[in-house]
Amino acid sequence: AQTVTQSQPEMSVQEAETVTLSCTYDTSESDYYLFWYKQPPSRQMILVIRQEAYKQQNATENRFSVNFQKAAKSFSLKISDSQLGDAAMYFCAYNAGGSEKLVFGKGTKLTVNP
Amino acid sequence: GAVVSQHPSWVICKSGTSVKIECRSLDFQATTMFWYRQFPKQSLMLMATSNEGSKATYEQGVEKDKFLINHASLTLSTLTVTSAHPEDSSFYICSARRGSYNSPLHFGNGTRLTVT
Repeated sequence: AQTVTQSQPEMSVQEAETVTLSCTYDTSESDYYLFWYKQPPSRQMILVIRQEAYKQQNATENRFSVNFQKAAKSFSLKISDSQLGDAAMYFCAYNAGGSEKLVFGKGTKLTVNP
Repeated sequence: GAVVSQHPSWVICKSGTSVKIECRSLDFQATTMFWYRQFPKQSLMLMATSNEGSKATYEQGVEKDKFLINHASLTLSTLTVTSAHPEDSSFYICSARRGSYNSPLHFGNGTRLTVT
């Protein structure tokens, strides 16, 4: 079974600084997709970024970028120029190709200090 | 963009009663919707996959008779918590995918259920 591990229950960063959230996963599939979702205090799940396993290039969305290391099964999220609004729970998620199910990690709570 | 609406946002009910939660895809059709449960400070746990026009697929350990799912149309799935007990108190979130399996999931805003 596929598993997603987020080893950092909590992280903090100073406003305007950069922070990296870790995620590793276990799978025997070659075709899959990886996601980072953000859940602010409102509890609304928001897609931050998405990576297709077959793409070598790391995905980037404005201040958010990933470091996808397929061989190491690692998928970290880097947030640059952190803003107060980035404070939230961040969930790493995995979706095997051809499967509709999304498997979530346990989450990392990010605090942004002013 | 795709929007998934969930209603109600919060509900309080008495033990033994049933509660229905609705999940609607507002601007797209969803043949498949997903229901998750989230305990405080924990991750999302997939409860079941709701399939339009057919029976839902439940994850291991989830009681089918307890959590009734109906997906009667391409834009609506409902989750009914039957004979609710305090331990059913939780945050329930639905999601739907616009497009194929590799499209991102869009989530509803969740329903906080409190059973007294």
